[in-house]
Amino acid sequence: EVQLVESGGGLVQPGGSLRLSCAASGFTFSSYEMNWVRQAPGKGLEWISYIDNRGSSIYYADSVKGRFTISRDNAKNSLYLQMNSLRAEDTAVYYCARDLFGGSVYFDYWGQGTPVTVSS
Amino acid sequence: DIQMTQSPSSVSASVGDRVTITCRASQGISNWLAWYQQKPGKAPKRLIYAVSSLQTGVPSRFSGSGSGTDFTLTISSLQPEDFATYYCQQGNSFPLTFGGGTKVEIK
Repeated sequence: EVQLVESGGGLVQPGGSLRLSCAASGFTFSSYEMNWVRQAPGKGLEWISYIDNRGSSIYYADSVKGRFTISRDNAKNSLYLQMNSLRAEDTAVYYCARDLFGGSVYFDYWGQGTPVTVSS
Repeated sequence: DIQMTQSPSSVSASVGDRVTITCRASQGISNWLAWYQQKPGKAPKRLIYAVSSLQTGVPSRFSGSGSGTDFTLTISSLQPEDFATYYCQQGNSFPLTFGGGTKVEIK
């Protein structure tokens, strides 16, 4: 069974940092592209970052470019999101999501999400 | 960036009704279009990819159509478990973008 489990969310002050993790199981992690998608309270979905299966191709939304860094460790079946210079508008539930198949940029499996609150 | 516009933003319907949700892209996206369903407090769930391909396990009452810039998600006979918010998403180019969502409510 495919499982994605996010962790690392919490309360952080504006300007602070947080590192999210996504533990993958039930599939060959190294074969799949991965993404982070977030959802602010009461709002819609916002894609924020993509990484290919080898970690060699990476994309970001403009809203997080220069502040967030996506990475992965295929040996540990894990995806990460390093978030720096956090702002109030980064408050959201953060989901990791697996691509349906290579190059598809469709999301087939999602984690349960980890909440991030940026507030003083 | 490609903007995705969904309409309506909400719809009230009864069990058994046919429901149609529209998604319009600000520029052509070929067939790079997916649909997701989300219930309150839950992660989104895959429904359809490549405009009309049903994800594994999705009931056949869901269908997708369209091309270029205009796309449609249809629920042929609404069931109680279908009351949720639906999002379209384009995969034509980065940044990937979602529509604003359509909430399907009980009439």
